[in-house]
Amino acid sequence: GAGVSQSPRYKVTKRGQDVALRCDPISGHVSLYWYRQALGQGPEFLTYFNYEAQQDKSGLPNDRFSAERPEGSISTLTIQRTEQRDSAMYRCASSLMTGGNYGYTFGSGTRLTVV
Amino acid sequence: TQLLEQSPQFLSIQEGENLTVYCNSSSVFSSLQWYRQEPGEGPVLLVTVVTGGEVKKLKRLTFQFGDARKDSSLHITAAQPGDTGLYLCAGVPGTYKYIFGTGTRLKVLA
Repeated sequence: GAGVSQSPRYKVTKRGQDVALRCDPISGHVSLYWYRQALGQGPEFLTYFNYEAQQDKSGLPNDRFSAERPEGSISTLTIQRTEQRDSAMYRCASSLMTGGNYGYTFGSGTRLTVV
Repeated sequence: TQLLEQSPQFLSIQEGENLTVYCNSSSVFSSLQWYRQEPGEGPVLLVTVVTGGEVKKLKRLTFQFGDARKDSSLHITAAQPGDTGLYLCAGVPGTYKYIFGTGTRLKVLA
């Protein structure tokens, strides 16, 4: 697609429920990243994929968080047994290749609210 | 933990004024990028700098990467209301993971 698409745009869920956040990167982009962003602050790294391989998941807060990119394109970030502290803007970004010379293209994000 | 501190955190200026935003770290980065983010949207890449001492200009915006590749600055000349937004620096300490700065929220008043 023309840009990075994330869905849903907004998600309100009850504490204890599982949620799945979807990211559709720019076609042909090899690298895909998930970040979490608090209001007015910079994004915080969660995990990174190169093609379908999850190369780094060091930023995932705990084992309730998982991510996959099975065919090297669309990615899903899953949060199990959601807690109120999981409420945040979750952003996906993709880049053509891996490396500091390649800038990210960010999606508009999914705002998750856990009530 | 690698941190990128930005200053100032908030800045409110009149249209036509000049301003500089700073991005500082104790870590060395292989490259550094600047992004601008508007409310409700994701950050949008403005520039990438890779060489220590490098200066890049983008219309009224001037970006500089420090000689030691630990810091950077963004200078805006004759600011306009359209420059309003959250400015973020992002450093790449290795090969792929970008560490984002704390952000500078700029408001330009007409």
